[in-house]
Amino acid sequence: DGGITQSPKYLFRKEGQNVTLSCEQNLNHDAMYWYRQDPGQGLRLIYYSQIVNDFQKGDIAEGYSVSREKKESFPLTVTSAQKNPTAFYLCASSIPRGGGYTFGSGTRLTVV
Amino acid sequence: AQSVSQHNHHVILSEAASLELGCNYSYGGTVNLFWYVQYPGQHLQLLLKYFSGDPLVKGIKGFEAEFIKSKFSFNLRKPSVQWSDTAEYFCAVNFMMDSSYKLIFGSGTRLLVRP
Repeated sequence: DGGITQSPKYLFRKEGQNVTLSCEQNLNHDAMYWYRQDPGQGLRLIYYSQIVNDFQKGDIAEGYSVSREKKESFPLTVTSAQKNPTAFYLCASSIPRGGGYTFGSGTRLTVV
Repeated sequence: AQSVSQHNHHVILSEAASLELGCNYSYGGTVNLFWYVQYPGQHLQLLLKYFSGDPLVKGIKGFEAEFIKSKFSFNLRKPSVQWSDTAEYFCAVNFMMDSSYKLIFGSGTRLLVRP
């Protein structure tokens, strides 16, 4: 079955360490997205990519980095510059022109 | 910048009451509109979506939404809520500009339905 796989489901890191969250899709979608979900703030867009080797900053890109070397993969790195990294991170992909979105099951990152 | 506003952050209703959740967006160009629901401890689920055509859209579980272009609004409605509708509801707007498009979410509305 086609879908989006995010791994791991839970992730713990020490403060000051960079951490990379995985997102893989086998839907053949061109566009992929990363969101951060915090209580009371909904989902906020971190980065998005419409095509391989190209990506754009979303509303809260500071402290994050991404790469899009393959169509299927859109990993997100949470750097030590991110001041409040503990959150739930959701990856999504979409068919052309945003006609429909598929969401992964998310990764809950806790930085201690 | 494009934005999506949900003005009701918390709503408490009794069973059988009617529901209307507001959603407004800032962009005057081409948009697709979505409502998602997140039940406690679960993942996002699509309730309904609007791309074109009839501005009154019917979704799952008895929900509907009306797109009013002149008001930049896409309000969610249900005539009679059930306890099982207790969840958080997110409005989302797909903004399309040139060849780029991105999905922006509102901050969500937490709905509590009392038995």
